[in-house]
Amino acid sequence: DGGITQSPKYLFRKEGQNVTLSCEQNLNHDAMYWYRQDPGQGLRLIYYSQIVNDFQKGDIAEGYSVSREKKESFPLTVTSAQKNPTAFYLCASRRLAGGVDTQYFGPGTRLTVL
Amino acid sequence: AQKITQTQPGMFVQEKEAVTLDCTYDTSDQSYGLFWYKQPSSGEMIFLIYQGSYDEQNATEGRYSLNFQKARKSANLVISASQLGDSAMYFCAMRDLSGGYQKVTFGIGTKLQVIP
Repeated sequence: DGGITQSPKYLFRKEGQNVTLSCEQNLNHDAMYWYRQDPGQGLRLIYYSQIVNDFQKGDIAEGYSVSREKKESFPLTVTSAQKNPTAFYLCASRRLAGGVDTQYFGPGTRLTVL
Repeated sequence: AQKITQTQPGMFVQEKEAVTLDCTYDTSDQSYGLFWYKQPSSGEMIFLIYQGSYDEQNATEGRYSLNFQKARKSANLVISASQLGDSAMYFCAMRDLSGGYQKVTFGIGTKLQVIP
């Protein structure tokens, strides 16, 4: 089945460590996105990529980095520079067809910094 | 700057009744898209419905319809014949289609609880 997979589902990290969240899609979508969700809030855009080998900062990119070497993959690294990384992270890809614009989301990764 | 406002932190609805979740937006752009997503307790964001700013008809998808009032800048979600499985967080979102960035802005959500 086509879709977006994120791994791991739960991730624990010690302060000062970098950690990489995986996002893979087999939907053949060009555009991919990373969002962060904090309790009681909506989603905030961290990074996005419209094509392979290109990505742009979103609203809260500080302390995060990404790469887009393959169309299917858009990993997010949470660095030690991110001051408050505990949150729920969602990856998405975009489909625009027949005048309907849709973002498909993965199941998310819940990151906890100990 | 784009802004999405959802003023209802929580809503209750009786099973089999209809419910309206409010959403207002603010943008200076002429070309934009409006979305509604459902987020159950598992955390996954589920796409429900989309309305383009130039669409004259209100979007419908099964039990979901989007009441689009462009002059009032509102995009309310109507769920008909509520089911227990509809209990979840609901997010309204907007994408600016006029620029290269085409960012999606999300509201803070409304928690819907369906009562048996």
